[in-house]
Amino acid sequence: GAVVSQHPSWVICKSGTSVKIECRSLDFQATTMFWYRQFPKQSLMLMATSNEGSKATYEQGVEKDKFLINHASLTLSTLTVTSAHPEDSSFYICSARQLGLDTQYFGPGTRLTVL
Amino acid sequence: GIQVEQSPPDLILQEGANSTLRCNFSDSVNNLQWFHQNPWGQLINLFYIPSGTKQNGRLSATTVATERYSLLYISSSQTTDSGVYFCAAFNFGNEKLTFGTGTRLTIIP
Repeated sequence: GAVVSQHPSWVICKSGTSVKIECRSLDFQATTMFWYRQFPKQSLMLMATSNEGSKATYEQGVEKDKFLINHASLTLSTLTVTSAHPEDSSFYICSARQLGLDTQYFGPGTRLTVL
Repeated sequence: GIQVEQSPPDLILQEGANSTLRCNFSDSVNNLQWFHQNPWGQLINLFYIPSGTKQNGRLSATTVATERYSLLYISSSQTTDSGVYFCAAFNFGNEKLTFGTGTRLTIIP
């Protein structure tokens, strides 16, 4: 149980294009989802927290107009990187949490490369 | 916010050796988790351990919440144990999971 999937697992795009990453909780309802970014050989840094049906809360220094997050249902959250640039190349990981629990379950990650 | 430091940053051991990884956190936490990140990037939950000691096969973990540290023990290391180990602290106050700096473990045959 408690499986989280991400799609795509990797994506390569040209500078200036937008990329959408999906995060799904497969066997539970996720009232809260989280998006993290991990640069090579570094730790995970929280980008934003999203609750189903409400606007995402972004961490300091994360541009909300660049990283659009939508949590439209209890099983799906999406992260759209708009007008991607090479410096946005990173490993993006989502996690999901059930209502009332503090354990987060992590997706397998999406590796984004912007040329 | 909470600061989470891990040591050592890198550890290279021969197969069969035992190891201890440490996680220090700067403030009181409501939960402490240990993860193994495999070479493909997948984070695998190892332990959910806000306090006390837990064991799972060759792995065990101890958290001493009053002294703000946690330890992960790996016994009889195997090459498949290689990867990065992260601890992460959760605080109900800000509802965030803060990851530590990580320990990169390499087990050589």
